[in-house]
Amino acid sequence: AQSVTQPDIHITVSEGASLELRCNYSYGATPYLFWYVQSPGQGLQLLLKYFSGDTLVQGIKGFEAEFKRSQSSFNLRKPSVHWSDAAEYFCAVVPWGSSYDKVIFGPGTSLSVIP
Amino acid sequence: GAVVSQHPSWVICKSGTSVKIECRSLDFQATTMFWYRQFPKQSLMLMATSNEGSKATYEQGVEKDKFLINHASLTLSTLTVTSAHPEDSSFYICSAAGSNEQFFGPGTRLTVL
Repeated sequence: AQSVTQPDIHITVSEGASLELRCNYSYGATPYLFWYVQSPGQGLQLLLKYFSGDTLVQGIKGFEAEFKRSQSSFNLRKPSVHWSDAAEYFCAVVPWGSSYDKVIFGPGTSLSVIP
Repeated sequence: GAVVSQHPSWVICKSGTSVKIECRSLDFQATTMFWYRQFPKQSLMLMATSNEGSKATYEQGVEKDKFLINHASLTLSTLTVTSAHPEDSSFYICSAAGSNEQFFGPGTRLTVL
């Protein structure tokens, strides 16, 4: 079945430590890939997106993500986490060939940052 | 990116009343807007797709008569929760379609007493 998975429900890191949030998808062709962040009680903010080209994508707030076709993954990384990064992170895909209304969200990963 | 607003940001109502939530694209025209529902600690679930000048397309399991969607202009879509009940309490988020992505509003917290 087509799906988006985020294996880690909750992650806790220390401020200044590196971060990697995992995202895997199961679709026949490479979909469009997105990472969003949601602060408590807020809407979604787009961190970065991948449509094609360079597999290492730079985003806002110092985040980057790497698309690995062989692993069907699009993991989000940040070299040094700040306390303000504590939030919910959603990986999302738009299956290739579908219209943009078919955004499929992963279940989310909640990030806590220890001062 | 494009800016999408929602109003109100939060609303509390009594059971049985109707609540209208507005979604506006502030700096671009959105032919298509989307409405999502998010329960606490869960992901976003698409409720319906709203197309300007036509009827909305609802996802399976979403009650059309309960969640009325109107997209009367290229910058405004509204979601009306009719005869709201406590189980309708949730976070409702709208988005507007861009060329290859959606732009999300800040969300509306609905609490039905």
